Amino acid sequence: GAGVSQSPRYKVAKRGQDVALRCDPISGHVSLFWYQQALGQGPEFLTYFQNEAQLDKSGLPSDRFFAERPEGSVSTLKIQRTQQEDSAVYLCASSSGPDPSTEKLFFGSGTQLSVL
Amino acid sequence: GQQLNQSPQSMFIQEGEDVSMNCTSSSIFNTWLWYKQEPGEGPVLLIALYKAGELTSNGRLTAQFGITRKDSFLNISASIPSDVGIYFCAGQLGYGGSQGNLIFGKGTKLSVKP
Repeated sequence: GAGVSQSPRYKVAKRGQDVALRCDPISGHVSLFWYQQALGQGPEFLTYFQNEAQLDKSGLPSDRFFAERPEGSVSTLKIQRTQQEDSAVYLCASSSGPDPSTEKLFFGSGTQLSVL
Repeated sequence: GQQLNQSPQSMFIQEGEDVSMNCTSSSIFNTWLWYKQEPGEGPVLLIALYKAGELTSNGRLTAQFGITRKDSFLNISASIPSDVGIYFCAGQLGYGGSQGNLIFGKGTKLSVKP
């Protein structure tokens, strides 16, 4: 597709379940970011990949959060033992170069996670 | 997490009116960006600012990078119903790689009455 694709669009999980969120960036895009957007808030940085290398994971809130991009294209964000405070929209974004300030950053529509 | 101070939180205006919103930070940013987000979608870039004092327009939108590098504003002239959405400012501390990660404001929700 032409844009960043995320799946599923909606995910409902029971507290304690593990979830996996998928991001298909624009083909050929080097940089990939994950953001978390709580209701009524702006997106907050979680982690950054340049190709397959995870260069920054300082925004991951706990060791229950894990992200990977093994072949430098598709990325998966995994949340283990989900808790209610994990409920949010998870946004993926990609850009063609390593510097989103000069390379336009394209966001997907997000996955809305609700933990009951 | 760290966020920018964005105001106002919401605006309800009449079609045709001009709109102004701003963002301030205690940190110096090298880049300021303005995004628009519509329900169920991700943010879309409207304007990017790279130099202190820079004034940039995109159609009816005008944004400026404050000379202190700690603030920015966005103006929308002659608003129309399709301007409805949430507008986010975002700052970038550094250049390249993970320094490119963005710090977002909490957003300004704009409603336009026809």
